[in-house]
Amino acid sequence: GQQLNQSPQSMFIQEGEDVSMNCTSSSIFNTWLWYKQDPGEGPVLLIALYKAGELTSNGRLTAQFGITRKDSFLNISASIPSDVGIYFCAGPLLGTYKYIFGTGTRLKVLA
Amino acid sequence: GAVVSQHPSRVICKSGTSVKIECRSLDFQATTMFWYRQFPKQSLMLMATSNEGSKATYEQGVEKDKFLINHASLTLSTLTVTSAHPEDSSFYICSATLYSAGNEQFFGPGTRLTVL
Repeated sequence: GQQLNQSPQSMFIQEGEDVSMNCTSSSIFNTWLWYKQDPGEGPVLLIALYKAGELTSNGRLTAQFGITRKDSFLNISASIPSDVGIYFCAGPLLGTYKYIFGTGTRLKVLA
Repeated sequence: GAVVSQHPSRVICKSGTSVKIECRSLDFQATTMFWYRQFPKQSLMLMATSNEGSKATYEQGVEKDKFLINHASLTLSTLTVTSAHPEDSSFYICSATLYSAGNEQFFGPGTRLTVL
């Protein structure tokens, strides 16, 4: 079935560093979504992207919709301890309302 | 706005019993609700799509007779895990969509099920 692959799988960074992660697909998407999930909680939407090439920011977070429509990137600047969590990309399968989620990137911030 | 709740937040049960999980949209009427399952250190996997007043649509590999879904109103969907076994232990998350929000899914806080 369709899969969204995220890299890296996990990251350990120092507080204050910038973070980059990406998400790739074997097929095109018309919408890319980035979520953060804290332990024992549901995912929370960070950024939504609706157009190829689009670059959108939400505070220290910036995400881009890849030109090929098969990938997306999320950057976090000046990381802080509360950025710890799992970051998922997701998108609706073409022609449906069903979301497929990526494999996730686990972020740990060292103070 | 667009708040989704789940009850209970965690449940422990004996093998063979049935467990019901509720998903409610608190401040909007949801056209569609979705149920996901997440095993430890894994991603969310869609189990089924639930529309008010009609039968749920299950994803491939999900047993409809084991995971009963009832969508009685535009604000409530329930998932019943029947005859639960230890391998059903997982984190169950629901989401609800609102057409006027561009079909964005709003996620509940999840329910941790542990079957002994």
